[in-house]
Amino acid sequence: DAKTTQPPSMDCAEGRAANLPCNHSTISGNEYVYWYRQIHSQGPQYIIHGLKNNETNEMASLIITEDRKSSTLILPHATLRDTAVYYCIVRVAVRGTSGSRLTFGEGTQLTVNP
Amino acid sequence: NAGVTQTPKFRVLKTGQSMTLLCAQDMNHEYMYWYRQDPGMGLRLIHYSVGEGTTAKGEVPDGYNVSRLKKQNFLLGLESAAPSQTSVYFCASVSGRSYNEQFFGPGTRLTVL
Repeated sequence: DAKTTQPPSMDCAEGRAANLPCNHSTISGNEYVYWYRQIHSQGPQYIIHGLKNNETNEMASLIITEDRKSSTLILPHATLRDTAVYYCIVRVAVRGTSGSRLTFGEGTQLTVNP
Repeated sequence: NAGVTQTPKFRVLKTGQSMTLLCAQDMNHEYMYWYRQDPGMGLRLIHYSVGEGTTAKGEVPDGYNVSRLKKQNFLLGLESAAPSQTSVYFCASVSGRSYNEQFFGPGTRLTVL
């Protein structure tokens, strides 16, 4: 699985958009980009994933560059409850002996300030 | 649905003691995983299972054993606990049909003295 690089921490004002970058310059053509977050002491929570098209769901938007070497997770209106560590993960989404395993890095600590 | 549950939530062991952590899911998921998380670090995969009766090693399997006798349960065993195994343990599961979203349990906080 490709390695990802994220800033260790970011701050955002409540009500503003939070834009979390992720660099994955060695991503392969069949690897997806996944985002999870972990609110303090809880189990990680899935946010969104994508291959090459931009994606949006009720939680966030995922923007992937045309060359797929980087992506940005956007929380459109951050709230205090969005304070968490955000993990960007790339992997091949296939079943089999790999078991769709995830490899977590250290993520970005997002702090939403009032 | 309860989702993914873990038992116990907290445990303190002495070096050399053994214990079993239980993970249960009620979503009929094929794949299940055990991770550990040390302070300030991301999760690391210990063992995983792609189906009932099958298990495989992850990134950090030494000192742990697992069993998946029933599809809904995934057990993690520590035969002889060591202080280095002090950590928070998370279990997760994912459907074999839509293996995009892993569902995580609330975690087990283990301290080995």
